[in-house]
Amino acid sequence: QVQLVQSGGEMKKSGASVRVSCKTSGYTFTRYGISWLRRAPGQGLEWMGWISGHNGNTKYAQNFQDRVTMTTDTSTGTAYMELRSLRSDDTAVYFCVRASSTWSEYSWFDPWGQGTLVTVSS
Amino acid sequence: EIVLTQSPGTLSLSPGERATLSCRASQHVTSGFFAWYQQKPGQAPGLLIYGASSRATGIPDRFTGSGSGTDFTLTISRVEPEDSAVYFCQQYGSSPVTFGRGTKLDIK
Repeated sequence: QVQLVQSGGEMKKSGASVRVSCKTSGYTFTRYGISWLRRAPGQGLEWMGWISGHNGNTKYAQNFQDRVTMTTDTSTGTAYMELRSLRSDDTAVYFCVRASSTWSEYSWFDPWGQGTLVTVSS
Repeated sequence: EIVLTQSPGTLSLSPGERATLSCRASQHVTSGFFAWYQQKPGQAPGLLIYGASSRATGIPDRFTGSGSGTDFTLTISRVEPEDSAVYFCQQYGSSPVTFGRGTKLDIK
């Protein structure tokens, strides 16, 4: 079955960077995209961006444009999300999700990774 | 960006009753690019509906999505105890993709 397995929780200091991985299995990686979402405590889901599994094209949300980089390794079917210059309000659970489109960010999401808690302290 | 407002915030029903969950968009959602998800405690969300009305693989036919434009509805025809969860909506017709805050469904 299709699975997305994320790396474990991280604790970081303000100003540091974090890299979360998302190992996929059970489908042809290049036929779909990967989006990254997050949910901060008491907040709703926030879309961070999308990357094509086919050609690595990306689309980032404006809120993260300057601080996030999404990449893929098609040889292993793994996606990565790096967030830089962390602040305390970046404390959240980060999700990778398989996006229905490999051509654009206009996608529904199925399935979801299990989530990775990133805690940022000063 | 498109803001999605879900109502009610909480819904408490008995098994066998009908659940009607609403999601209203602040702007027209392009081409019915609309989805619904279910999240049970301790689990990642799961896709229920995409394209406003298409059921995802394995979703029982008691779950129905409808709507267009700015008003969308998820209907559960006869709720079962296993339907206790938070349900949230998503639009993917405009960038950025956005989500509603969710409706909590309690089955008494």
